[in-house]
Amino acid sequence: DAGVIQSPRHEVTEMGQEVTLRCKPISGHDYLFWYRQTMMQGLELLVYFNNKAVMDDSGMPKDRFSAKMPNASFSTLKIQPSEPRDSAVYFCASSFVAEGFQETQYFGPGTRLLVL
Amino acid sequence: AQTVTQSQPEMSVQEAETVTLSCTYDTSESDYYLFWYKQPPSRQMILVIRQEAYKQQNATENRFSVNFQKAAKSFSLKISDSQLGDAAMYFCAYRRGSSGTYKYIFGTGTRLKVLA
Repeated sequence: DAGVIQSPRHEVTEMGQEVTLRCKPISGHDYLFWYRQTMMQGLELLVYFNNKAVMDDSGMPKDRFSAKMPNASFSTLKIQPSEPRDSAVYFCASSFVAEGFQETQYFGPGTRLLVL
Repeated sequence: AQTVTQSQPEMSVQEAETVTLSCTYDTSESDYYLFWYKQPPSRQMILVIRQEAYKQQNATENRFSVNFQKAAKSFSLKISDSQLGDAAMYFCAYRRGSSGTYKYIFGTGTRLKVLA
């Protein structure tokens, strides 16, 4: 398996622009997570899905962030408008539940976002 | 609310020696899981070891082992025979065991340097 795939790997944009991050989970995984990593805040969970439905988005700023999972093999995290404080590494991770226990999360390589 | 604390921002160890990374957590739950993840310079998050709270036996994976003290809410990682490839950021993480929620909480990380 190719693992979790994220694109782009690097993104540089100007403040106010729309940014879309993409993620393809591992085939067969029914959980998908979006994290943000910064030096100041560490690794924060923004949102996670189960079978394409949002389960918890309490960590996601609702005014400018939106996450979607239109099908089992694709998810997007959109920031509109972007701000310099959104500069971070964004990770996507996926996992599946086996007999009531969630298997380990598998992380993608991350997208490094820089908002100027 | 649950919290995870890693009080050592940085640690150093001589190659072939043993090092222990500390992690404490706070929760009122009795059923939960604890994890150690490694993040090398490539930024990929890699699972090192996992511990179920209901298991008294400490988890072990090759050179990696944990010292799980449930009453003290402590979950330290021991790396034996340290290798240069072990140099990375190490994150401790917590997840509730209750069904229906798979929200992970990560510590701020410990940077491990391995000296040749």
